[in-house]
Amino acid sequence: ETGVTQTPRHLVMGMTNKKSLKCEQHLGHNAMYWYKQSAKKPLELMFVYNFKEQTENNSVPSRFSPECPNSSHLFLHLHTLQPEDSALYLCASSQVHGGLDGYTFGSGTRLTVV
Amino acid sequence: DQQVKQNSPSLSVQEGRISILNCDYTNSMFDYFLWYKKYPAEGPTFLISISSIKDKNEDGRFTVFLNKSAKHLSLHIVPSQPGDSAVYFCAATDTNAGKSTFGDGTTLTVKP
Repeated sequence: ETGVTQTPRHLVMGMTNKKSLKCEQHLGHNAMYWYKQSAKKPLELMFVYNFKEQTENNSVPSRFSPECPNSSHLFLHLHTLQPEDSALYLCASSQVHGGLDGYTFGSGTRLTVV
Repeated sequence: DQQVKQNSPSLSVQEGRISILNCDYTNSMFDYFLWYKKYPAEGPTFLISISSIKDKNEDGRFTVFLNKSAKHLSLHIVPSQPGDSAVYFCAATDTNAGKSTFGDGTTLTVKP
């Protein structure tokens, strides 16, 4: 399997639930990212991992907790979310952080918080 | 303060004609610029990029132009095809800070 794979594609969760989003890349990339896309808003960077080390936390609330156990996998752990957290969550990877080759994105997880 | 702006939410073009998508930025520290295309229910796909040391980069039907003094970049698609219909995002990167910032996107519709 190639590219960036995100699971699940769709997720509905209550505000008291705990769930995790998973991202996997088999491209040999060294940097991985979580982005949030809300309706009628630009893509917002949430977290950056470079060589498995978190290098960026873009003022994201603590109810979102990333985990990068190895260079191929990235998780986003969710707990006690709010309805305004409903959005498309996109994972991406790149060979070099901030390079000219751009990012490879997954198809995203459409999250609905009820 | 939005540092990367795509002021046209949508653009409609006839097949075979040129599509011009525009993007403005405010941060002079941005040194790499990229364009992505996004189809519904898919993640964005990288299209083409340009470094701030250049003013033009071409790849097949796609050309990106950079005007640093105006802090403006544009994507030209010639000739436009119906399969080009998608949302196009520009992104700007400050490589020293390691941050990429995306615009809101422009929805391009190419009519047969």
